[in-house]
Amino acid sequence: QKEVEQNSGPLSVPEGAIASLNCTYSDRGSQSFFWYRQYSGKSPELIMSIYSNGDKEDGRFTAQLNKASQYVSLLIRDSQPSDSATYLCAVVEGGKLIFGQGTELSVKP
Amino acid sequence: SAVISQKPSRDICQRGTSLTIQCQVDSQVTMMFWYRQQPGQSLTLIATANQGSEATYESGFVIDKFPISRPNLTFSTLTVSNMSPEDSSIYLCSVWKGNEQYFGPGTRLTVT
Repeated sequence: QKEVEQNSGPLSVPEGAIASLNCTYSDRGSQSFFWYRQYSGKSPELIMSIYSNGDKEDGRFTAQLNKASQYVSLLIRDSQPSDSATYLCAVVEGGKLIFGQGTELSVKP
Repeated sequence: SAVISQKPSRDICQRGTSLTIQCQVDSQVTMMFWYRQQPGQSLTLIATANQGSEATYESGFVIDKFPISRPNLTFSTLTVSNMSPEDSSIYLCSVWKGNEQYFGPGTRLTVT
C-alpha cells in the first residue's frame, strides 16, 4: 500500500516565525511532489510543486525534496495569521495524486 | 491554471436518494478525477474519468454506488447513489493542467 504520511498537528507558531511542515512517502518511484493549502470550507489550492532534489523557493515558501530519504518538506518564513490552514502533501503515484492526511497550521498573532 | 466549476455547491439529501454532481472545465482535458473528503479527513480518490471509456475506480469504490459520465473533454458528472449518512462529504473534481493538478470548489453533501 503506497502511503503519504504527515504529522496531523496542530502545529502552532507565533507570527513572524518559520513554520516547518514535513511529509514522507513510500513509493521510491515517485517523481512529482506538491503542497496544497486548504482553508476551512474551501477546496485545496496548489502552492508549491517540486520535482528535483534540493530546495525550491517561491516568496515566503520553500519546498525541500530528498528522494533518497523519501521526504519532502515545506518551510513558511515570516508566518502570518493568514497562513493558518491545513497543508496537504501530495505525491504522484501511477499518474494519480495521492494525499497525506494534512497538517493543521495555526499562526498566533 | 484551470478554471473548474461544480454544481451544486451544496445539498442536503435524504437517505436512499441519489445526487448527481456536475463538473465543468474551461478547456479540454484527457482525464478528470473525482475525490471525496470526509469530515476532518484528507482527500481520497474515487475514480478517474476518461472521455469515451469507462471510468477507473479506486479500491473501495464501485460503479453501482458512484456512476460517472464523461460525455466530452470538458464535462463530467458523478452520481452518489442510494445515499446514506456515511456519504456526507465534500466531493471534488480535479484536472491536470501541465504538470499540476487543480481542484474545483467542491460540492458539500449532507445526507440525513
